[in-house]
Amino acid sequence: DQQVKQNSPSLSVQEGRISILNCDYTNSMFDYFLWYKKYPAEGPTFLISISSIKDKNEDGRFTVFLNKSAKHLSLHIVPSQPGDSAVYFCAARNPNAGGTSYGKLTFGQGTILTVHP
Amino acid sequence: EAQVTQNPRYLITVTGKKLTVTCSQNMNHEYMSWYRQDPGLGLRQIYYSMNVEVTDKGDVPEGYKVSRKEKRNFPLILESPSPNQTSLYFCASSFSPGVAYNEQFFGPGTRLTVL
Repeated sequence: DQQVKQNSPSLSVQEGRISILNCDYTNSMFDYFLWYKKYPAEGPTFLISISSIKDKNEDGRFTVFLNKSAKHLSLHIVPSQPGDSAVYFCAARNPNAGGTSYGKLTFGQGTILTVHP
Repeated sequence: EAQVTQNPRYLITVTGKKLTVTCSQNMNHEYMSWYRQDPGLGLRQIYYSMNVEVTDKGDVPEGYKVSRKEKRNFPLILESPSPNQTSLYFCASSFSPGVAYNEQFFGPGTRLTVL
C-alpha cells in the first residue's frame, strides 16, 4: 500500500522555465511533508518542508504547495537551473506511527528531474 | 564538518556471507535510521533507533539486524545476505523532533550487490 506516490518517474524542463513536481498521498494523518533532493552517488539532502496547517512555503526558488482536500502537494522550482537536475523525493510524516515521538516518514518513489541548458 | 558517514560505499558479496555496513554521525543526534532504495519503491525504512540501546523495526526489517551501543554509531548487519538484499542503503540521523519535524540527514549511501 503506497501511501505516498510520485506518479511521474521523470520530468524534463528547459533552463529558466518552471519545474513542477507532484506528490499524492492517501493518509490524512500525515502532519508534515518534506522534499529531498538526491544527486547521483550522494545521499538525499533536505530541501524544503511544509506543515499540514499551511498551504504554501517558500524558500528562494523553491515553493511547496499543499492541497489537503486533494491530498496533493507540489514542488515548484522557478527558474529551473541545470544544477537542479536530480532525483526528488517527497516524504510525509505520520506522527502517530512508528511507536515514538518521532513519528514515521514515508517516502515516495522519486522523480528524476532533468533541466536542459 | 557535520556529516553522516557510511562504509563501505560499494560492496559485492556472495549469498550467505555475513557483512556489516557501518554508519557514524558526528552531530550528537539521538535518532538514527537505515533505509534501502529500490527502483520504483523509493526509500523504505529497515530499522531505526531512538537512542543508545533502543532500536525497533521499520517497514522491511527481515534479514537485517542493527545495534546501537554508542550514540554516534548504528551498524547494519546482514547475517546471511541473499540476492533480494541487493540494493542501495542509506543511513540517516536527526535530532529529537520537538514541536516541529526535524529533517533527517543522510549518509552518502552503500551500494550492495549479493551474488
